[in-house]
Amino acid sequence: GAGVSQSPSNKVTEKGKDVELRCDPISGHTALYWYRQRLGQGLEFLIYFQGNSAPDKSGLPSDRFSAERTGESVSTLTIQRTQQEDSAVYLCASSPRGDEQFFGPGTRLTVL
Amino acid sequence: QQQVKQSPQSLIVQKGGIPIINCAYENTAFDYFPWYQQFPGKGPALLIAIRPDVSEKKEGRFTISFNKSAKQFSLHIMDSQPGDSATYFCAASPNTGNQFYFGTGTSLTVIP
Repeated sequence: GAGVSQSPSNKVTEKGKDVELRCDPISGHTALYWYRQRLGQGLEFLIYFQGNSAPDKSGLPSDRFSAERTGESVSTLTIQRTQQEDSAVYLCASSPRGDEQFFGPGTRLTVL
Repeated sequence: QQQVKQSPQSLIVQKGGIPIINCAYENTAFDYFPWYQQFPGKGPALLIAIRPDVSEKKEGRFTISFNKSAKQFSLHIMDSQPGDSATYFCAASPNTGNQFYFGTGTSLTVIP
């Protein structure tokens, strides 16, 4: 079956612009995670959705970052007023039970 | 504060060698310890995972050794192949199964 998909695969934007990144999880997966991966570094947790529970937003680095998820389907990560330090690969993962995670290919964001 | 500490940062071995990657943690609430493999331009993929009720788990050429008292776990790759060249991440999650904490990654190169 289809895996986790993310769009766009690459995004180049100017400093100060807003961007929206999309994640389509595997059907039936109740858990969804967003991570940020800077070049050559590990995965930085951003936010976690589990079913209809309130999301765990503890990893969001600033109030410029927000995310939404519609039920157990698509999620969007929005970064407002982008800064150069936001440049990274943004990874989405879904999980059927909150343990094994299946990652998408990521969106590479470049802020000029 | 890095919840999961991973070493070494990079590793070069000859084909057939046994690279070992180590991770350490402090939070005794962690009860799920996965290892992920990531190739350039791709999202991480689950390789193998362990829970603290066992001290070792093998899947093919990959083995996790787990030392609960020392709060350490390691990945061993038997008979390593050039195709194993990738970045490896350890991770840990508490029994609530929500936020995952990743190590900083180990870049493995297997020389033919």
